Amino acid sequence: DSGVTQTPKHLITATGQRVTLRCSPRSGDLSVYWYQQSLDQGLQFLIQYYNGEERAKGNILERFSAQQFPDLHSELNLSSLELGDSALYFCASSRQGFSSSYEQYFGPGTRLTVT
Amino acid sequence: DQQVKQNSPSLSVQEGRISILNCDYTNSMFDYFLWYKKYPAEGPTFLISISSIKDKNEDGRFTVFLNKSAKHLSLHIVPSQPGDSAVYFCAASGSAGGTSYGKLTFGQGTILTVHP
Repeated sequence: DSGVTQTPKHLITATGQRVTLRCSPRSGDLSVYWYQQSLDQGLQFLIQYYNGEERAKGNILERFSAQQFPDLHSELNLSSLELGDSALYFCASSRQGFSSSYEQYFGPGTRLTVT
Repeated sequence: DQQVKQNSPSLSVQEGRISILNCDYTNSMFDYFLWYKKYPAEGPTFLISISSIKDKNEDGRFTVFLNKSAKHLSLHIVPSQPGDSAVYFCAASGSAGGTSYGKLTFGQGTILTVHP
């Protein structure tokens, strides 16, 4: 158990809909990261938040957005869903946001299926 | 643009023998490298890491070697155990100011199977 929690575990929804994925980081971790794992793309970095502020962005679609709240939990919002958004979405957390030398600890993931 | 590559999709090893998993990278701005292990339906689990200022790091049965000039790293598992059977990902990150800062770039993974 990494200490990172994600809800829900599974989500099935229809195209065009909007969903929110939730993540609670390990106690004491200030940084939260979101990753997408699809069959053909592997694990892809989406976005990082550090202490409530966006810190780094990857190949995140404009239909996707995220935020980190004062209690440090984070939400990833996915809207106008398409079939190709079906994937595993992982949240990770780390102690610091300013160094690349801090390991990231991953949650169990949310499996999103868009039908 | 695959900046981190694991060229072997799978590896099969006998219990008790050494498992060697390989990873190549192209981005010279990467300065920290990590190995993760992943079981089905679970998130990646951190195994071991190495900074670019070192060429070797050991933790129990796991050793990571880094060859910066070749842009190559490897994970050695000795002795291998059936419970080590999983997907292994190598990942890399860069220092502040670079485009690879603040995120992990993952390889495609290698499926390790350790036979009893």
